Amino acid sequence: AQKVTQVQTEISVVEKEDVTLDCVYETRDTTYYLFWYKQPPSGELVFLIRRNSFDEQNEISGRYSWNFQKSTSSFNFTITASQVVDSAVYFCAFISNFGNEKLTFGTGTRLTIIP
Amino acid sequence: KAGVTQTPRYLIKTRGQQVTLSCSPISGHRSVSWYQQTPGQGLQFLFEYFSETQRNKGNFPGRFSGRQFSNSRSEMNVSTLELGDSALYLCASSLVGRQGYEQYFGPGTRLTVT
Repeated sequence: AQKVTQVQTEISVVEKEDVTLDCVYETRDTTYYLFWYKQPPSGELVFLIRRNSFDEQNEISGRYSWNFQKSTSSFNFTITASQVVDSAVYFCAFISNFGNEKLTFGTGTRLTIIP
Repeated sequence: KAGVTQTPRYLIKTRGQQVTLSCSPISGHRSVSWYQQTPGQGLQFLFEYFSETQRNKGNFPGRFSGRQFSNSRSEMNVSTLELGDSALYLCASSLVGRQGYEQYFGPGTRLTVT
C-alpha cells in the first residue's frame, strides 16, 4: 500500500530564513507521481508542483525548490527567504500507476513565518 | 479561466438529515474527485468520477454517494448525517482523467453536523 509521511507537524521560522519541508513515500509501484499542495487559511488547496517517478531532476521556481531522490524515497520542498505569505499548511501527495486519480496525502506540515 | 467552484460554502445540518454538495469543475476538465478533510483523519479520498462513471472509491460507508452529470458537474450526497461527518469537503478536477495529472481544488464546503 502507498503511504506518504510528513514527520514535521509544525515548523516556525523567522521571516527571510530558509525552510525545508520533508516528505517520504512508500510504494512498490515503478510509475508514480508526487505532488505538493499549499493550503492557506482560506482552505483551498493550491497546486504547487508535480513530479513523475522517472524525472529526478530538481526543480526551482522562484523562491521554491524541490529535491526528489528515489534512492531515499523522498521529495523535499525548500522555501528560500521565507515570507509571511508562505504561512500555510503544506501537503505532500502521491498517485501511483494503479491508483487512478486517488491522491494519497501526507498529514501536512503547518508552516508559520514569524515577521 | 474560472476555477473549481463549490456550493454551498458553509452548511449546518442536524444528525439524521441528508445533504447534497455541488461541484463545478474547470471548463474542459472531465475528472472530478471528492475528498474529506478532518483534523483527526486528514485528507481522505471519497470517490472519483470521469465521464459520468465512478471510477474509484475510497473507504467510506454507503451513506456517501455521488454522481456526475454530462456537463462534468458533480454532486455528492451524504445521508443520515452523523456528528463525525463534520468536515471540509473538497472537490478537485483534472484535465483528462489520466494518471498523474495535477488536480485543481475548489474552496471546499464546510459541513457542520449538530
